[in-house]
Amino acid sequence: KAGVTQTPRYLIKTRGQQVTLSCSPISGHRSVSWYQQTPGQGLQFLFEYFSETQRNKGNFPGRFSGRQFSNSRSEMNVSTLELGDSALYLCASSFLGVQYNEQFFGPGTRLTVL
Amino acid sequence: ELKVEQNPLFLSMQEGKNYTIYCNYSTTSDRLYWYRQDPGKSLESLFVLLSNGAVKQEGRLMASLDTKARLSTLHITAAVHDLSATYFCAVISNFGNEKLTFGTGTRLTIIP
Repeated sequence: KAGVTQTPRYLIKTRGQQVTLSCSPISGHRSVSWYQQTPGQGLQFLFEYFSETQRNKGNFPGRFSGRQFSNSRSEMNVSTLELGDSALYLCASSFLGVQYNEQFFGPGTRLTVL
Repeated sequence: ELKVEQNPLFLSMQEGKNYTIYCNYSTTSDRLYWYRQDPGKSLESLFVLLSNGAVKQEGRLMASLDTKARLSTLHITAAVHDLSATYFCAVISNFGNEKLTFGTGTRLTIIP
């Protein structure tokens, strides 16, 4: 069974630009969660999507948004990039959601904002 | 707000020794996860602990959960170099927003 895939793996952007990251969950998984990992703040929850609806949201500004498609694939968008948005962005999928099932993480997208 | 603390933050130990990583959390929860992360890599699930007194073992690692004390431990037995990594615990609160809150991580280095 294929694991969680994320594209692109690496990305370099400049301040003020926007970026879209993509996540394909494990086949059959309907829940996709996004996390940001930085050396200073650690691992922080961004949001969770289930059946195309945002089910949970972390404490991030509105510049961070996401969506989920009918095939459970998810995208995350960050607008008006800031230097502090440089991070490893991890996507994780589970069958019904982490509160019910184990989550499996993708390889991550490393975003560098210059 | 749920807070998850791990200690130590950094741990350097010799091969063959035993040690324990501690994970404390601030609110009622009976769902706790342990993950491993190698440098530059993603998170690998190690253990899922879903009830008070749960104990799980895999190789040289053993994890336990005491929901009354709001404490989980990850015990390493006879450490080997391959166990060098950063270990995270993560908790879901029984109340409110059902999101996964991670601990700060423990960077473990095994010295030959």
